[in-house]
Amino acid sequence: ETGVTQSPTHLIKTRGQQVTLRCSSQSGHNTVSWYQQALGQGPQFIFQYYREEENGRGNFPPRFSGLQFPNYSSELNVNALELDDSALYLCASISTPKAGAETQYFGPGTRLLVL
Amino acid sequence: AQTVTQSQPEMSVQEAETVTLSCTYDTSESDYYLFWYKQPPSRQMILVIRQEAYKQQNATENRFSVNFQKAAKSFSLKISDSQLGDAAMYFCAYRTPQGGSEKLVFGKGTKLTVNP
Repeated sequence: ETGVTQSPTHLIKTRGQQVTLRCSSQSGHNTVSWYQQALGQGPQFIFQYYREEENGRGNFPPRFSGLQFPNYSSELNVNALELDDSALYLCASISTPKAGAETQYFGPGTRLLVL
Repeated sequence: AQTVTQSQPEMSVQEAETVTLSCTYDTSESDYYLFWYKQPPSRQMILVIRQEAYKQQNATENRFSVNFQKAAKSFSLKISDSQLGDAAMYFCAYRTPQGGSEKLVFGKGTKLTVNP
């Protein structure tokens, strides 16, 4: 157990809809990253939030957005869902963005299926 | 851009035997971090072992050890005395210390099967 939880565990949406995925980090972890893991692939970095502000982004369009809250929870929002958005979405938290020194703790993920 | 390559989509090993998973990476940086993560069917990514590029000594964690060859940009994972619970997807990952972002770049993974 990593102390990081995600909800829901599974989700089915239709193309064009919007979805919100949630992550609850360990207490004291003020940095959270989100990853998209397509079937049979390694996770791909979407973005990172530190103290409620985005401070790093991967190659994902603006319809992927996020929020981080003071209570160590965060959200990933995806608008205008496309079939290719079907994937496992992972969040990972660390205590500070101290480069290299900290272990990232991953949640169990949310499996999103877009029909 | 950094890339991570795992050339073995699947590997199998007999219980109690040793197996080595391969990973190569491409980077122009001299300082970085490398990781092996395990993802069992429960989907939760678990850190297995970590290596700082500035350290010449290979990292070890109990039955897990790495062979880090910086010049060759190679980072293989050796699992000794394999156990049934080691069966999982294994991902090699790279992280740069630059820019404050904790972005991990992952390979496509190797599925490890442990046979009793």
